[in-house]
Amino acid sequence: AQKITQTQPGMFVQEKEAVTLDCTYDTSDPSYGLFWYKQPSSGEMIFLIYQGSYDQQNATEGRYSLNFQKARKSANLVISASQLGDSAMYFCAMREGHTGFQKLVFGTGTRLLVSP
Amino acid sequence: EAGVTQFPSHSVIEKGQTVTLRCDPISGHDNLYWYRRVMGKEIKFLLHFVKESKQDESGMPNNRFLAERTGGTYSTLKVQPAELEDSGVYFCASSQDSSEVPPAKNIQYFGAGTRLSVL
Repeated sequence: AQKITQTQPGMFVQEKEAVTLDCTYDTSDPSYGLFWYKQPSSGEMIFLIYQGSYDQQNATEGRYSLNFQKARKSANLVISASQLGDSAMYFCAMREGHTGFQKLVFGTGTRLLVSP
Repeated sequence: EAGVTQFPSHSVIEKGQTVTLRCDPISGHDNLYWYRRVMGKEIKFLLHFVKESKQDESGMPNNRFLAERTGGTYSTLKVQPAELEDSGVYFCASSQDSSEVPPAKNIQYFGAGTRLSVL
């Protein structure tokens, strides 16, 4: 069975500092994708970054990077130079299989608060 | 380009009433998904449409939930009759046909959700 674990219900960081949000996963499928979404107070779920299980390099998108450690089954999100607008809920999700159709399985989320 | 839109943003109904949620996917997206987040828990998959066909409805909790996607455009999710445990946020997501992008990078784009409160 798939499972995503986010052990940090809440995180605090000061503006301009870097922060790491933890995510571990469990799957027996060798082909899978890992995703991070941001949910600000407006409610919309915003896609941030994707990592494929066969990707050789860690994914990066602007200030977001994914620290992918396959042997440890972890896919931590690193946000560099935090901004006040980064305050939001962050969800880690996984999709098994290689067709791209499959459902996403989510963790319970981490609430990030960025202080001035 | 418009994103995924959901209506209403918030619905408050009494137990036993009927509610219909609507989702308009991104134009041209064949895949449409419904998810639900009950208070404090993880977001859970409900079902997946490819165009107008139900590809996977393994997450639908019971037969009080009916999802449709006539014509393969917008989708509705009806709850009839609503129960207290149906309260939560219902998200809709859409993604492209996997023939247009590498399957592994087929991103699901979400709407802002409908917050359903059953009293």
